[in-house]
Amino acid sequence: QQPVQSPQAVILREGEDAVINCSSSKALYSVHWYRQKHGEAPVFLMILLKGGEQKGHEKISASFNEKKQQSSLYLTASQLSYSGTYFCGTGANNAGNMLTFGGGTRLMVKP
Amino acid sequence: EPEVTQTPSHQVTQMGQEVILRCVPISNHLYFYWYRQILGQKVEFLVSFYNNEISEKSEIFDDQFSVERPDGSNFTLKIRSTKLEDSAMYFCASRRGGNSNQPQHFGDGTRLSIL
Repeated sequence: QQPVQSPQAVILREGEDAVINCSSSKALYSVHWYRQKHGEAPVFLMILLKGGEQKGHEKISASFNEKKQQSSLYLTASQLSYSGTYFCGTGANNAGNMLTFGGGTRLMVKP
Repeated sequence: EPEVTQTPSHQVTQMGQEVILRCVPISNHLYFYWYRQILGQKVEFLVSFYNNEISEKSEIFDDQFSVERPDGSNFTLKIRSTKLEDSAMYFCASRRGGNSNQPQHFGDGTRLSIL
């Protein structure tokens, strides 16, 4: 069953913050975040493993709440280059074979 | 930085024809994947491949699909008799090791158009 992402779309002004959520109805082992620009391949951002960790990558960070089976991606002081569609991919076990992707969140950052 | 490469970038094929999509994973990676993305929709898992065999496949990956690693570098996806609904972007991905803390790196994709 695919994870549910929210919101589906968000428009920001440069410098504003955003939060993208990814929720699953089943137990997760890992959450993988990717950004995809139109017509391009998904680009890896970060992985979070169960255990409730939080990670950061420049002004983009994420958390994984194991109890809620939810991960959140935080974009702070957004830049024009952050525009794209953000997908979360969930892994159900440590074998980490297939990723089940959410429907994506389309983010547009305007000047 | 090493990357996953896919060829061709765009393939146009008549319905019912066979098509082979090619991928060269990152050289020291051991796990390989195919995903597809229908225009405007989410990325969907097709199949994973390790140690010269399929380790997992989705319900999309039916008898019309097959994968092969014919030599030490290429990883191919074959669709035997294409249908209109096979039109999509097909992404190959590879991962270095067996743990979930290792990312899957995606190629730029092959856009498959079935006429």
